[in-house]
Amino acid sequence: DAGVIQSPRHEVTEMGQEVTLRCKPISGHDYLFWYRQTMMRGLELLIYFNNNVPIDDSGMPEDRFSAKMPNASFSTLKIQPSEPRDSAVYFCASSGSSGGEYNEQFFGPGTRLTVL
Amino acid sequence: EDQVTQSPEALRLQEGESSSLNCSYTVSGLRGLFWYRQDPGKGPEFLFTLYSAGEEKEKERLKATLTKKESFLHITAPKPEDSATYLCAVQAKGQGGKLIFGQGTELSVKP
Repeated sequence: DAGVIQSPRHEVTEMGQEVTLRCKPISGHDYLFWYRQTMMRGLELLIYFNNNVPIDDSGMPEDRFSAKMPNASFSTLKIQPSEPRDSAVYFCASSGSSGGEYNEQFFGPGTRLTVL
Repeated sequence: EDQVTQSPEALRLQEGESSSLNCSYTVSGLRGLFWYRQDPGKGPEFLFTLYSAGEEKEKERLKATLTKKESFLHITAPKPEDSATYLCAVQAKGQGGKLIFGQGTELSVKP
């Protein structure tokens, strides 16, 4: 299995620009998670989906952030407009479930975002 | 509020020097406690899941244990390749698949 795939791996943009991060989860997994990691705040959950439906977006910092999952094999996290404080590493993770129980999450390699 | 605290923040060991990492947690109802390893520039890699107090799991030189308030990751005779940041996370009952992570312990093992 190829694992969770994220693109781009690195993104440098200027303040005010739109940024789109992409994620392909592991085939067969029905949960998808978006996290942000910074030195100050560690690893924080932004939003997660179950069967392509957003379940909990309470971690999304503000309206500038939005996430979609149009199908089981693709998700995007969009920041518009971007600000320097959005600079961080963004991870996508996926997991399966069995018998109503949640299994471990598998993380992608991350996208390092720098907003100048 | 659900919370996870890891200690120490950083740990330096000599190769072969065994030690333990601590993860203290406060959660309304624990569904599971997870340990991950993270190498620089990479995503967290799953190690263990513990579900109930008294449970233990082992993988090579690592052993994870769980009590009602904390978890320990014991590292026996570590090697330089064990150097990484170790993350602990809890999943609360009724919170779906949401994980709350600690800040991590950065482990460095010198030859």
